[in-house]
Amino acid sequence: EVQLVESGGGLVKPGGSLRLSCAASGFAFSTYSMNWVRQAPGKGLEWVSTISSGSSDIYYADSVKGRFTVSRDNAENLLYLQMNSLRDEDTAVYYCARDGFRRGYNWFDPWGQGTLVTVSS
Amino acid sequence: EIVMTQSPATLSASPGERVTLSCRASQSVNNNLAWYQQKGGQSPSLLIYGASTRATGLAARFSGSGSGTDFTLTITSLQSEDFAVYYCQQYTYWPFTFGGGTKVEIK
Repeated sequence: EVQLVESGGGLVKPGGSLRLSCAASGFAFSTYSMNWVRQAPGKGLEWVSTISSGSSDIYYADSVKGRFTVSRDNAENLLYLQMNSLRDEDTAVYYCARDGFRRGYNWFDPWGQGTLVTVSS
Repeated sequence: EIVMTQSPATLSASPGERVTLSCRASQSVNNNLAWYQQKGGQSPSLLIYGASTRATGLAARFSGSGSGTDFTLTITSLQSEDFAVYYCQQYTYWPFTFGGGTKVEIK
């Protein structure tokens, strides 16, 4: 069974840092690109970042560029999101999601259960 | 950035009804369009990709159509478990963008 389990969320003050992790199982992690998507409370979905299978290609939303860093450890089947200089507007549930196909960048399937990040003083 | 506009924002319908949700892109995304369903307190799940291909195991009452800028998700004979929020997403251009969602609620 394909499974994605996020962890690392919590309460952090504005300007602080947090690192999210996503543990993958049930598929060949190293052959898929991976994604982070967030959802602010009561709001819609916002794509955050994508990393290719071999980490050669990385993409960020403008809203997080320069503050967030995505990475992966293919040996350990782990995806990370390092979040620095956090702002109130970064408060959201953060989901990791696998690319839906082994080649290129496509739809997201499946999604993890999400981890809540709250930025507040 | 491609803007995805979904309509209506809220749709009230009764079980058994046929409903149609709309998604419009600000420029052509070819057929690189996905639909997701999100039930209360849960993570999104894939319904449709490539504008019209059903995800594995998806009930046949769900269908997607369209290409270019205009897309629809149709649910024939709405079931109780279909009351949820539906999002479209384009994956042609970076940044990948989602529509604002359509909430399907019980009438």
